[in-house]
Amino acid sequence: EPEVTQTPSHQVTQMGQEVILRCVPISNHLYFYWYRQILGQKVEFLVSFYNNEISEKSEIFDDQFSVERPDGSNFTLKIRSTKLEDSAMYFCASSGQGLGEQYFGPGTRLTVT
Amino acid sequence: GESVGLHLPTLSVQEGDNSIINCAYSNSASDYFIWYKQESGKGPQFIIDIRSNMDKRQGQRVTVLLNKTVKHLSLQIAATQPGDSAVYFCAERTWAGGGADGLTFGKGTHLIIQP
Repeated sequence: EPEVTQTPSHQVTQMGQEVILRCVPISNHLYFYWYRQILGQKVEFLVSFYNNEISEKSEIFDDQFSVERPDGSNFTLKIRSTKLEDSAMYFCASSGQGLGEQYFGPGTRLTVT
Repeated sequence: GESVGLHLPTLSVQEGDNSIINCAYSNSASDYFIWYKQESGKGPQFIIDIRSNMDKRQGQRVTVLLNKTVKHLSLQIAATQPGDSAVYFCAERTWAGGGADGLTFGKGTHLIIQP
């Protein structure tokens, strides 16, 4: 069964450093998403991406965040200057339709020290 | 305030019993709802979805009920098994006119199955 994959599984970085979280969505999907989940809390939407541009973003997704689909398979989330409060699990998701099931990856645990 | 929320943070049921997990939402414009299951250390896993033009949908051992009048969503799991132990999230989508709309998740209910 096809699945969303994410790398790395765990990223530790120092405050102020840039990080890039990588995702490989399901191959025939067209819609891509990033979410985050601070430990013990609910999953929060960050951004959605369709047709090579951002479709929707939340207030969490400020100028420190960016997304890119550099080739036909990868979807990345970049945080330019990490803050302690960016520590969370970051989930990538993809779907084949704009309205439909979003398939989530296993997540990348980001720890900012 | 919360757009989507759950009434109980923890629900404990006996193995083999049925369980009902509830969710309230406040955005009457939401047109699509999903239940996700999240096991420890994993990403959310799709369970079942329902569109706003329906009030009930059944899957394998699971049923989702949608009451738009009171903006309430529930997930019923029949004959619970140990593998059902997880945190369950409801999520809603509000059409924003874009190509891909993010989901708003509730806080989650931790379902504990007792032997």
